[in-house]
Amino acid sequence: GAGVSQSPSNKVTEKGKDVELRCDPISGHTALYWYRQSLGQGLEFLIYFQGNSAPDKSGLPSDRFSAERTGGSVSTLTIQRTQQEDSAVYLCASSLGLLLGNEKLFFGSGTQLSVL
Amino acid sequence: DAKTTQPPSMDCAEGRAANLPCNHSTISGNEYVYWYRQIHSQGPQYIIHGLKNNETNEMASLIITEDRKSSTLILPHATLRDTAVYYCIVRGTTQGAQKLVFGQGTRLTINP
Repeated sequence: GAGVSQSPSNKVTEKGKDVELRCDPISGHTALYWYRQSLGQGLEFLIYFQGNSAPDKSGLPSDRFSAERTGGSVSTLTIQRTQQEDSAVYLCASSLGLLLGNEKLFFGSGTQLSVL
Repeated sequence: DAKTTQPPSMDCAEGRAANLPCNHSTISGNEYVYWYRQIHSQGPQYIIHGLKNNETNEMASLIITEDRKSSTLILPHATLRDTAVYYCIVRGTTQGAQKLVFGQGTRLTINP
């Protein structure tokens, strides 16, 4: 497809379980971003990948959260031992990664995570 | 923390121009001003961005003051589908500044 694809669109899990969220960026985009949005709140930055550089993990809220990006394309966000406060929409975005500040980010539709 | 300040909410009549203000008084010379919007239950959508000059595209116009400390997004003929939360963001050019830092935005409601 032409846009950023995220799966699953909805995920319901039990407290304490691990979950994996997937993001397929737009082909050719070297930069990839993860955000989360709790109900009624703004977007919270989580992590940013740029090419082969070390990712910017400054937004990850705890060591239960991790992300990887294999082959410079698909990314997986993993949440271990989920808690109820992890319930949110997790959004992925990608961009060309030109490091010029002069480019657009394209967002996916997000994964709605519900931790019971 | 977001480097911009926006009113929490605004209303506009359908067919009229919607003017959304944004203050970014601490913006530095190499930082761009971006506008995104988020319609309910969707991911944010890019609208427009600029550095110094005013910009216009098929969606909106962006007016940046000469001192760059504030800007206004203009939707020239608002429709009901323009009801959304609008985010004004400043973004730099270094690797560490590439992430978009979202504030609370302005909830724009277009009324029939």
